[in-house]
Amino acid sequence: EAQVTQNPRYLITVTGKKLTVTCSQNMNHEYMSWYRQDPGLGLRQIYYSMNVEVTDKGDVPEGYKVSRKEKRNFPLILESPSPNQTSLYFCASSQGWGGNEQYFGPGTRLTVT
Amino acid sequence: EDQVTQSPEALRLQEGESSSLNCSYTVSGLRGLFWYRQDPGKGPEFLFTLYSAGEEKEKERLKATLTKKESFLHITAPKPEDSATYLCAVQASAGGTSYGKLTFGQGTILTVHP
Repeated sequence: EAQVTQNPRYLITVTGKKLTVTCSQNMNHEYMSWYRQDPGLGLRQIYYSMNVEVTDKGDVPEGYKVSRKEKRNFPLILESPSPNQTSLYFCASSQGWGGNEQYFGPGTRLTVT
Repeated sequence: EDQVTQSPEALRLQEGESSSLNCSYTVSGLRGLFWYRQDPGKGPEFLFTLYSAGEEKEKERLKATLTKKESFLHITAPKPEDSATYLCAVQASAGGTSYGKLTFGQGTILTVHP
């Protein structure tokens, strides 16, 4: 089954404690992306990757890091999380160049206290 | 900077009452405009891609259209199962510095009452 998986699905952590949210896709997609979704602000892109070792900033990259060492994986790293990073995070992937036919993961709800 | 504005923020319809959702955009050269549907507690699900003004796409009760400044998602004779948040996004054309970047609107929450 074609899918994008994220782990963990729920996470409560404290300010400053480094964390990683994993994202994996089994469709051999070139394009992968991370978004955060907040009430009233909609879906905002954090980082995207056009292919292995190629990453670029979205609209809200501050406080986040990503890496794309393998085609299937695109982890999101919060080196020093802060309460304003409390949000619902989605990973997505697509064949080719981006927004066309993106498959989204189930989401990770992160709370930073 | 690319911008996407969706209206209305929320729309309540009776079953069978047709209507349209609007997505206004500004982008430095459009590579694609996308419509997604999102159910509560789930990730968005792809509906359509539109590439150029005048293009139309249809799927069941949904029809998406595109002009140079906006897109409409027309819903004909909606059913309660069409209730969801509908998201619009744009991507700038290649040649720019960030042509892989996607900008989403805030979405329209559609509720269809039986």
